[in-house]
Amino acid sequence: DVVMTQSPLSLPVTLGQPASISCRSSQSLVYSDGNTYLNWFHQRPGQSPRRLIYKVSNWDSGVPDRFSGSGSGTDFTLKISRVEAEDVGVYYCMQGTHWPPTFGGGTKVEIK
Amino acid sequence: QVQLQESGPGLVKPSETLSLACTVSGGSISSYFWSWIRQPPGKGLEWIAYISYSGITNYNPSLKSRVTISVETSKNQFSLKLSSVTAADTAVYYCARGGVDTVDYWGQGTLVTVSS
Repeated sequence: DVVMTQSPLSLPVTLGQPASISCRSSQSLVYSDGNTYLNWFHQRPGQSPRRLIYKVSNWDSGVPDRFSGSGSGTDFTLKISRVEAEDVGVYYCMQGTHWPPTFGGGTKVEIK
Repeated sequence: QVQLQESGPGLVKPSETLSLACTVSGGSISSYFWSWIRQPPGKGLEWIAYISYSGITNYNPSLKSRVTISVETSKNQFSLKLSSVTAADTAVYYCARGGVDTVDYWGQGTLVTVSS
């Protein structure tokens, strides 16, 4: 299985400040069709995950534009330009290029 | 908006079969893939399997020998069966729309505890 490694595990941030989460895969996530199936999800405590980003950098409907995704190959990043209180929770990257799809271990974002 | 709702027993005895159903509302089950994903308490997410509306399936090799996923389009529902469960199968089980490369809509999840 493709191993997805996220860092950091925990990310204390100040409201209004930027935040960045790294996700690295053990294999290239470029599929034979040329697409890179890397997704980002946000899970608040007691809730199901919500997809924020798909195919590296595409926003889901309703996702604030302070979130952005970037990267290629095996290295990917989720950035929050200005953290708001509602952004706390765990963020997961997930690859859908290779079967089975696999998730990173998660990055817990909390407010300082 | 599409909504998914898991249903089934919250407690299953070791060695028995876990059975869950996911009812889709606000949209048709046709034309999409549908998945089961689980999350042990305090841990990360694990993909179990997906099925298409036409019955095409794919299973996580780590669980394949114990898992069956099925779809019932007339009920707008799909189901999961996991046999020979152990305590390691205790988790929140989510159903979700999608399966080949991503999922977009998730159910609220249902906690299944394996215990005698």
